[in-house]
Amino acid sequence: AQRVTQPEKLLSVFKGAPVELKCNYSYSGSPELFWYVQYSRQRLQLLLRHISRESIKGFTADLNKGETSFHLKKPFAQEEDSAMYYCALRTGGGNKLTFGTGTQLKVEL
Amino acid sequence: SAVISQKPSRDICQRGTSLTIQCQVDSQVTMMFWYRQQPGQSLTLIATANQGSEATYESGFVIDKFPISRPNLTFSTLTVSNMSPEDSSIYLCSVKTGGGNEQYFGPGTRLTVT
Repeated sequence: AQRVTQPEKLLSVFKGAPVELKCNYSYSGSPELFWYVQYSRQRLQLLLRHISRESIKGFTADLNKGETSFHLKKPFAQEEDSAMYYCALRTGGGNKLTFGTGTQLKVEL
Repeated sequence: SAVISQKPSRDICQRGTSLTIQCQVDSQVTMMFWYRQQPGQSLTLIATANQGSEATYESGFVIDKFPISRPNLTFSTLTVSNMSPEDSSIYLCSVKTGGGNEQYFGPGTRLTVT
């Protein structure tokens, strides 16, 4: 069965510091990986997906199949990045998203 | 994109009662889903709501406990039946549009069972 692991419940960084939110997955097939973000009092929204290989709000994530990881990175954290981040895995061309437990990012001044 | 609304936004219910949550989308969508997020835990897919047929439930979820309706391409309901305190969660509606792979989420319904 597929699984997504986010080892950190809480990550605190100072403004301007680099950020790395870790995500590891377990799946034997070809995965689709996503990062979702939930800002305070807002709904869950898609941040980025590995297929697009894009940078959104300065965040990037590279799928590493050898390490089964999809870590989210940003070189310089901003206060507005403070939010809950969820890594998610979609499998087998289907529609089911399996979510990690989430990491609360807190950017301190 | 798709704009999703849910009613109610929150409710406090007594043990043994049932609550029906509504999900309305501003455009026709191909897929609608219901997720649960228990306190301190991640989102878990309950079922896929199929238009015109019975919902497809994930392991651990059954129709008697979580009956789902989807009468058309823009609306679905999830009922949480015979509630117990363990059903206290946030219930989220999610949709996938026909154009791409992105899934959109509603604002959620926060349910507390006393």
